[in-house]
Amino acid sequence: QKEVEQDPGPLSVPEGAIVSLNCTYSNSAFQYFMWYRQYSRKGPELLMYTYSSGNKEDGRFTAQVDKSSKYISLFIRDSQPSDSATYLCAMTTRGGADGLTFGKGTHLIIQP
Amino acid sequence: DAGVTQSPTHLIKTRGQQVTLRCSPKSGHDTVSWYQQALGQGPQFIFQYYEEEERQRGNFPDRFSGHQFPNYSSELNVNALLLGDSALYLCASSSGRGGGGDTQYFGPGTRLTVL
Repeated sequence: QKEVEQDPGPLSVPEGAIVSLNCTYSNSAFQYFMWYRQYSRKGPELLMYTYSSGNKEDGRFTAQVDKSSKYISLFIRDSQPSDSATYLCAMTTRGGADGLTFGKGTHLIIQP
Repeated sequence: DAGVTQSPTHLIKTRGQQVTLRCSPKSGHDTVSWYQQALGQGPQFIFQYYEEEERQRGNFPDRFSGHQFPNYSSELNVNALLLGDSALYLCASSSGRGGGGDTQYFGPGTRLTVL
């Protein structure tokens, strides 16, 4: 079993839909959780950063962490074609002073 | 404010050769981490440099080595290249002093092709 599991997709939804992206993990020592967006052949761009369990909202994006279930989610409201990209979940035990463990990434397609 | 920069953008090498990739961290950051991303996969952690020392290492062979300079910039060296080393190599910077509150920001990557 890999430390972080993420469905690679592709996930295709119509413009304006609510998108739900998820990751599960096995290492209970993870405390910091991130979502990155990566466009084709580019570097990952940080979207959301969360410490421990709970919710965090930033514009159209909401990140949720449930440490008891070892499950994290990213919701995108009012999805746009420009949101089409690969979304990577990442986690670590010590924040910036630690190597990140990534999921495989979910390829998201927003249909106009 | 310049973000993380990497050079070169693309590189083509043949098996057995050696390669050096370069990274300059985001202003105010002192920690550099390197990742390898194969096509269709998430990035894999190679190692992290802080105060010119390798602080943490992932599951990569000794063919992968690095260096950090006093200005916090960093190099990744790969010796005896294999076809399987073909990937996007990503550099990320962060602040190593604050611990948990600091996250990693990525550069655009260097795409290495080994023939």
